[in-house]
Amino acid sequence: NAGVMQNPRHLVRRRGQEARLRCSPMKGHSHVYWYRQLPEEGLKFMVYLQKENIIDESGMPKERFSAEFPKEGPSILRIQQVVRGDSAAYFCASSPQVGRGTNTEAFFGQGTRLTVV
Amino acid sequence: AQRVTQPEKLLSVFKGAPVELKCNYSYSGSPELFWYVQYSRQRLQLLLRHISRESIKGFTADLNKGETSFHLKKPFAQEEDSAMYYCALTVADKLIFGTGTRLQVFP
Repeated sequence: NAGVMQNPRHLVRRRGQEARLRCSPMKGHSHVYWYRQLPEEGLKFMVYLQKENIIDESGMPKERFSAEFPKEGPSILRIQQVVRGDSAAYFCASSPQVGRGTNTEAFFGQGTRLTVV
Repeated sequence: AQRVTQPEKLLSVFKGAPVELKCNYSYSGSPELFWYVQYSRQRLQLLLRHISRESIKGFTADLNKGETSFHLKKPFAQEEDSAMYYCALTVADKLIFGTGTRLQVFP
């Protein structure tokens, strides 16, 4: 099991372009989470998805950001019309199941570092 | 509001010294707390969780509901413990992270 795979590792975009970040969860994991880490800050929750469903998007900015986790293929975090403030490290995590008391661990990818120039 | 606070950005100790990384939380329900660690150039990984009451790599953490704390402790730090440490709280199936503490262990 290769672990959670994120690509690209580094992404440079000009202001106004679109950024697409991909996350392939671990085999057998149906729950995916996206986190953003701004410089000098901790990881901030963005969105929680299961296959074909958005469960919790309370951490997603209201505009320009969207996420999906299709039945087939990786989860995608899409940022339209990027601005300098979007520059950050974006981390994906996956887990096989959730629920209190299930003692379930979230496994993290190595992140995508987005730089907007 | 749910929140995790790690007051120290950086903690520097010498090898063999005791280590305590502080974590306080704010949560009205019954908390589930974790410590995650990120070694240089590696991905974030789970270190320990309070439910298991385990000791990993010599680290322990006790949940103190009265003080709303979950401090991470190790009696004798090793150089290989140098890393970023994040305290996290589970809320509605997602993890709320603190801002992290960088531990530097000098030889």
